[in-house]
Amino acid sequence: GQNIDQPTEMTATEGAIVQINCTYQTSGFNGLFWYQQHAGEAPTFLSYNVLDGLEEKGRFSSFLSRSKGYSYLLLKELQMKDSASYLCAVVDSNYQLIWGAGTKLIIKP
Amino acid sequence: GAVVSQHPSWVICKSGTSVKIECRSLDFQATTMFWYRQFPKQSLMLMATSNEGSKATYEQGVEKDKFLINHASLTLSTLTVTSAHPEDSSFYICSARDQVPPREGYQETQYFGPGTRLLVL
Repeated sequence: GQNIDQPTEMTATEGAIVQINCTYQTSGFNGLFWYQQHAGEAPTFLSYNVLDGLEEKGRFSSFLSRSKGYSYLLLKELQMKDSASYLCAVVDSNYQLIWGAGTKLIIKP
Repeated sequence: GAVVSQHPSWVICKSGTSVKIECRSLDFQATTMFWYRQFPKQSLMLMATSNEGSKATYEQGVEKDKFLINHASLTLSTLTVTSAHPEDSSFYICSARDQVPPREGYQETQYFGPGTRLLVL
């Protein structure tokens, strides 16, 4: 079966760095997305990785290792507004998105 | 980025009525749109994949006669919840992508609408 694993909840301090991990087992791989979802709102796009390595975009970076079936989202200089759920999603061989359950990130002052 | 709109954003209706939700891609043509449902504190659940000009593909467990999907144009897909009941109360979110399958090196992204919150009394 297809499976995406991410931690259910994480807590971090304002100004710190946090890494949210995602491991996947899917039928084929055509890319991995990270989305941010604030409570009561629709997800918004953060990043897309299809090749191994680190993609940096401002305070957010995303890493992919296809051989390990592993990705992480790195958030630097955390702000209170970063409190949200972070969703990992993998594009499988049929170009369908397989969603993780999301990681709820709680930022404390 | 591309913009996807949904209308209405909020619906409150009586049990037994039908509710139509519209999803529009505003600045690109979406050959494929997706409909999701999300219950409180739960993950997104894909309900169906809607391809322009053809029948929608429903996920297992989703009743196609209850959740009618029409994708009549490249910029509009509609979801109609027929004979809604309180258990249908949920957050319905559509998303759209503009290319199937993606070209090599092309970053294909699903763009989400803002969602429609449905409350059935």
